[in-house]
Amino acid sequence: DQQVKQNSPSLSVQEGRISILNCDYTNSMFDYFLWYKKYPAEGPTFLISISSIKDKNEDGRFTVFLNKSAKHLSLHIVPSQPGDSAVYFCAAGPSGGSNYKLTFGKGTLLTVNP
Amino acid sequence: NAGVTQTPKFQVLKTGQSMTLQCAQDMNHNSMYWYRQDPGMGLRLIYYSASEGTTDKGEVPNGYNVSRLNKREFSLRLESAAPSQTSVYFCASSEGGQPVYEQYFGPGTRLTVT
Repeated sequence: DQQVKQNSPSLSVQEGRISILNCDYTNSMFDYFLWYKKYPAEGPTFLISISSIKDKNEDGRFTVFLNKSAKHLSLHIVPSQPGDSAVYFCAAGPSGGSNYKLTFGKGTLLTVNP
Repeated sequence: NAGVTQTPKFQVLKTGQSMTLQCAQDMNHNSMYWYRQDPGMGLRLIYYSASEGTTDKGEVPNGYNVSRLNKREFSLRLESAAPSQTSVYFCASSEGGQPVYEQYFGPGTRLTVT
């Protein structure tokens, strides 16, 4: 039972355009969400996060939007650059209690074409 | 700061052999994690240690054991390797507090079991 779903295994966009990566979750206890980026042969690196008290968080070219009622979040990259080509993982966790675990989606491979 | 380091980078085992994957972090983090990544499966949690002296099972613990040797080090042991354990293994660490959930990953160990 996948609690965090990234339904698009891959996405291809042109350099300079917007990339939109989507993520859905089913567990109502999740209220902290993160995006990670992974290049081949490297470990994932943290990109941006958002807590459920917000609906938007921006960091430079990266913006994450959260729609809590729809249990949906998205990562926008504007403008997209060839160096953004990587696998992007969505992750979620509860912020309360002693549960330190994150649940990851299966990832979306983004290819930005020059 | 080296961050999270993992050894070895690559390993080939025969079915039934045992080995230990080593992980160390120099960020004074409380929590440490072991994940495996398989094609199309995303990152799946094997075991985690919320704090020094504690360990807990994750999503896919069968066939593995862990030791939190001290605050810095968290090892993963395969007692009798099986071909199904062929995967890329990532160690991660986090502060473990609230509301910080960012996990920092090592570069990975690529394990092949023949």
